[in-house]
Amino acid sequence: AQKITQTQPGMFVQEKEAVTLDCTYDTSDPSYGLFWYKQPSSGEMIFLIYQGSYDQQNATEGRYSLNFQKARKSANLVISASQLGDSAMYFCAMNFPGSARQLTFGSGTQLTVLP
Amino acid sequence: DTAVSQTPKYLVTQMGNDKSIKCEQNLGHDTMYWYKQDSKKFLKIMFSYNNKELIINETVPNRFSPKSPDKAHLNLHINSLELGDSAVYFCASTIRTGGGYEQYFGPGTRLTVT
Repeated sequence: AQKITQTQPGMFVQEKEAVTLDCTYDTSDPSYGLFWYKQPSSGEMIFLIYQGSYDQQNATEGRYSLNFQKARKSANLVISASQLGDSAMYFCAMNFPGSARQLTFGSGTQLTVLP
Repeated sequence: DTAVSQTPKYLVTQMGNDKSIKCEQNLGHDTMYWYKQDSKKFLKIMFSYNNKELIINETVPNRFSPKSPDKAHLNLHINSLELGDSAVYFCASTIRTGGGYEQYFGPGTRLTVT
């Protein structure tokens, strides 16, 4: 069975600093996708970034980058130059081809950016 | 333009009632989903539809019945509501892009059963 683990229930970061949110996963399937979502206090789920298991390079989207270490089965999210608006819950998730590609989610990390 | 929309955003109802949540996506995606987020913020898949056909039905009480009249719509009907059904329900849809897959969520429906 596939499992996603986020070990940091809460994180604090100073504004303008970088922060890394941890995510590890467990699967025996060689093909999978890894996702990060942001959920602000307003409740919507915002897609941030995607990494395929066969992708050679780490995914980046603006201030977001995914530090993908396949051998260690980790897919950490790095947010550079944190902003107050980055305060939110962040979810790591994964899916698999050949299935309905539904997402399996981690338990989330609540990030608070301090002024 | 809203990509994935849900109505209503808030739903307050009494135990035993029947209610529906509607979902529409204008992205042309083939696969749509319903997820449930509980009070501890944990998100779990409930159903998945591909081209109007049910392909995933997780361990969900049969009081929950999804219906997909066409590829752009996936509605969720809940019979005999119980207190434990209180949660946020998200509709989502997915597409394969050049860079992989992207899955987009609707704004969520907060269901409160009293």
